[in-house]
Amino acid sequence: GDSVTQTEGPVTVSESESLIINCTYSATSIAYPNLFWYVRYPGEGLQLLLKVITAGQKGSSRGFEATYNKETTSFHLQKASVQESDSAVYYCAPMNYNQGKLIFGQGTKLSIKP
Amino acid sequence: NAGVIQTPRHKVTGKGQEATLWCEPISGHSAVFWYRQTIVQGLEFLTYFRNQAPIDDSGMPKERFSAQMPNQSHSTLKIQSTQPQDSAVYLCASSLTGVSAETLYFGSGTRLTVL
Repeated sequence: GDSVTQTEGPVTVSESESLIINCTYSATSIAYPNLFWYVRYPGEGLQLLLKVITAGQKGSSRGFEATYNKETTSFHLQKASVQESDSAVYYCAPMNYNQGKLIFGQGTKLSIKP
Repeated sequence: NAGVIQTPRHKVTGKGQEATLWCEPISGHSAVFWYRQTIVQGLEFLTYFRNQAPIDDSGMPKERFSAQMPNQSHSTLKIQSTQPQDSAVYLCASSLTGVSAETLYFGSGTRLTVL
């Protein structure tokens, strides 16, 4: 919902190009969050891509990186050089510090052009 | 490790009928979460349990929806008098203890279609 805003899809990027998917969260409704990126590849279930639980830290996985910025309440997902296998739907999902549930953004569908 | 198991994978009901969805968490996980996914609303939180106790049901529709976790090995989501707007993919997830910062592991979902 309005608590999490991410880049509206669909997004199409050419192979080997760089990528950024923006994610911001509302600090008034999500306090001191732990931050997650989940991904759903075609035909597969929702799975964790990376997470960061400390402000200022960076998480990375499969060539993707995201830095937890408390000042701008953001957790943008970046990759320097995308591959066709990165085609998927990406979800930004904060978790309040005192809760175990995830709050999902609307998802960003990414397609990679060969 | 079989992961989170949801059954059935697909369910079709007529308007007004009852639907029961099942979830088996990863063995050893004591927290179970339910989400609903639609094109319009995206991924919505419904409810979650920790050690079989309901912790947060803030996302559950007040009428017709109920969830239970009678033992550590399964949880059910029941929808009474199903309506077409209940059509969605219902996702179950589990985590080790249900506290903050833990990774949630998702099942493949149950696609509910209400005719």
